[in-house]
Amino acid sequence: QQQVKQSPQSLIVQKGGISIINCAYENTAFDYFPWYQQFPGKGPALLIAIRPDVSEKKEGRFTISFNKSAKQFSLHIMDSQPGDSATYFCAASSSGGGADGLTFGKGTHLIIQP
Amino acid sequence: GAGVSQSPRYKVAKRGQDVALRCDPISGHVSLFWYQQALGQGPEFLTYFQNEAQLDKSGLPSDRFFAERPEGSVSTLKIQRTQQEDSAVYLCASSSRETDQPQHFGDGTRLSIL
Repeated sequence: QQQVKQSPQSLIVQKGGISIINCAYENTAFDYFPWYQQFPGKGPALLIAIRPDVSEKKEGRFTISFNKSAKQFSLHIMDSQPGDSATYFCAASSSGGGADGLTFGKGTHLIIQP
Repeated sequence: GAGVSQSPRYKVAKRGQDVALRCDPISGHVSLFWYQQALGQGPEFLTYFQNEAQLDKSGLPSDRFFAERPEGSVSTLKIQRTQQEDSAVYLCASSSRETDQPQHFGDGTRLSIL
């Protein structure tokens, strides 16, 4: 049973555009929702994370929108740049991130065309 | 070093051999996690340590997989009698276990079983 469903699987966006990646979860015990960026040959690196008590969090060009009732959250990358081309993973855990294994989505391969 | 260090970066083994993968977490991090990442997939949780105690090993796929962290710092993931389906990238992450503190990932060990 896949507990975190991520879409789309791949995404092509023009430079300067907005990249949007969506995730849905099933386990209502999840209370921590991070997004990770991964480049080939590297480990995942945290981009931004949110708790369910807020509906939106913004850090620079990255924004997480969270809909608790729909059990959905999304990542928006504003003014997308070629350097943003990478694989993005949403994840969830039930103890704030530091004391519980993360459940990852299957990833979105993002390509930003110059 | 400042980050999570994993060794070796690449490991090739013949089916049936035993392998050992090492993780050096960020200094002072109480929590340590192992994940398995198949090609084109998101990381999947294997096991979690708090200091030297293995608190969750629910993700270990079989009894051929064994992890330890005897002194609460360096951890080793051992796979006995390797099989081709064990081929994957094995990622280690560490965290300070504080609320909302992220898991910091190493660059992984790419294991190939021939």
